[in-house]
Amino acid sequence: QQQVKQSPQSLIVQKGGISIINCAYENTAFDYFPWYQQFPGKGPALLIAIRPDVSEKKEGRFTISFNKSAKQFSLHIMDSQPGDSATYFCAASYGQNFVFGPGTRLSVLP
Amino acid sequence: DADVTQTPRNRITKTGKRIMLECSQTKGHDRMYWYRQDPGLGLRLIYYSFDVKDINKGEISDGYSVSRQAQAKFSLSLESAIPNQTALYFCATSGSGRPSTDTQYFGPGTRLTVL
Repeated sequence: QQQVKQSPQSLIVQKGGISIINCAYENTAFDYFPWYQQFPGKGPALLIAIRPDVSEKKEGRFTISFNKSAKQFSLHIMDSQPGDSATYFCAASYGQNFVFGPGTRLSVLP
Repeated sequence: DADVTQTPRNRITKTGKRIMLECSQTKGHDRMYWYRQDPGLGLRLIYYSFDVKDINKGEISDGYSVSRQAQAKFSLSLESAIPNQTALYFCATSGSGRPSTDTQYFGPGTRLTVL
């Protein structure tokens, strides 16, 4: 129940395309859903986050869509750029519990 | 200068050796964390500390121990390293808001190889 499932494991997108990464959880106690971005040789860094009381949050080219009834949330990267090539982790948390998904390696081709 | 630093950045050791990984932060945060990252498994929590006198086990604490020497320093030890502890290790910090919603700030990682 503490797991967060994430797909796909890897994703290749052409420059200008839309990248979509999906996550699912089981524990309805989770009340915060961040996404972290990790470039090679670096630690993860917070990209965008959402609470379950909203269905969508947008920051620039990055959008989180949240479906509370399905217990799913996804990251959409519009107009994907080669500089977006990185590993993306979804996460879920409540109280002192913080769980990361296994990650998606995104490659954006020029 | 980086807000969260880890030393060493790379380490190769042999089975049975004792290893210490160190983390320092200049963000003034009370909360510090140690994670390990393995391909296909994401980040898994080893230990976390919400202040100098508070140490808690995470999901995968077996084979590891920690020491919170000061607010700014949190060390991870492998008392007797084994090959399946070969991984990328990250230290992270967060502030004093709600633990579940505070942003975690990660260090650059330590790549540990146990032969």
